[in-house]
Amino acid sequence: SQKIEQNSEALNIQEGKTATLTCNYTNYSPAYLQWYRQDPGRGPVFLLLIRENEKEKRKERLKVTFDTTLKQSLFHITASQPADSATYLCALEGGSNTGKLIFGQGTTLQVKP
Amino acid sequence: KAGVTQTPRYLIKTRGQQVTLSCSPISGHRSVSWYQQTPGQGLQFLFEYFSETQRNKGNFPGRFSGRQFSNSRSEMNVSTLELGDSALYLCASGGLAEETQYFGPGTRLLVL
Repeated sequence: SQKIEQNSEALNIQEGKTATLTCNYTNYSPAYLQWYRQDPGRGPVFLLLIRENEKEKRKERLKVTFDTTLKQSLFHITASQPADSATYLCALEGGSNTGKLIFGQGTTLQVKP
Repeated sequence: KAGVTQTPRYLIKTRGQQVTLSCSPISGHRSVSWYQQTPGQGLQFLFEYFSETQRNKGNFPGRFSGRQFSNSRSEMNVSTLELGDSALYLCASGGLAEETQYFGPGTRLLVL
């Protein structure tokens, strides 16, 4: 079955630095991969989607890469701010034309001022 | 557009009881998915409804069921509650492409 792994340990960085989060997956070749942000007690919020034929996608201070050979996605936040502190979830599509997503456990990012 | 709404936001039940949670998707969205989130297992897919039909189902026991109405609103029901059912239950709705999921705030269920 599909398996997604994200760094389970929290990532602590200093404000202004670049945060890099990793998502690895096995036993699957997803058509796309998504990243979500979740704050405590709230539902996940969509950030970025990258398709299998795309190497990189950017949105403001966010950048996602997708390496289908390594079966890995990297999520970068440049010029990080304390407001970026949250849990970031990687999600794979669970089948075409479907709303099903398979989520990783998430990585908690803490940006210190 | 209003976002996904879920009711109730918080619920306390005892073992053996049953519970019904409600979700109203974003206007125009026809896909509604349900997820269970716990600290140990993370976000796990329960089921998805599209145009009143269950389109996908996760690996949960039959105690977990759902339905979708003609206005796309959805309910999920858990019967014979167990302590392990304590979790945050999240509903998500999808648009035309149904790739991006828009999540509601969740219903926090505590089973005592």
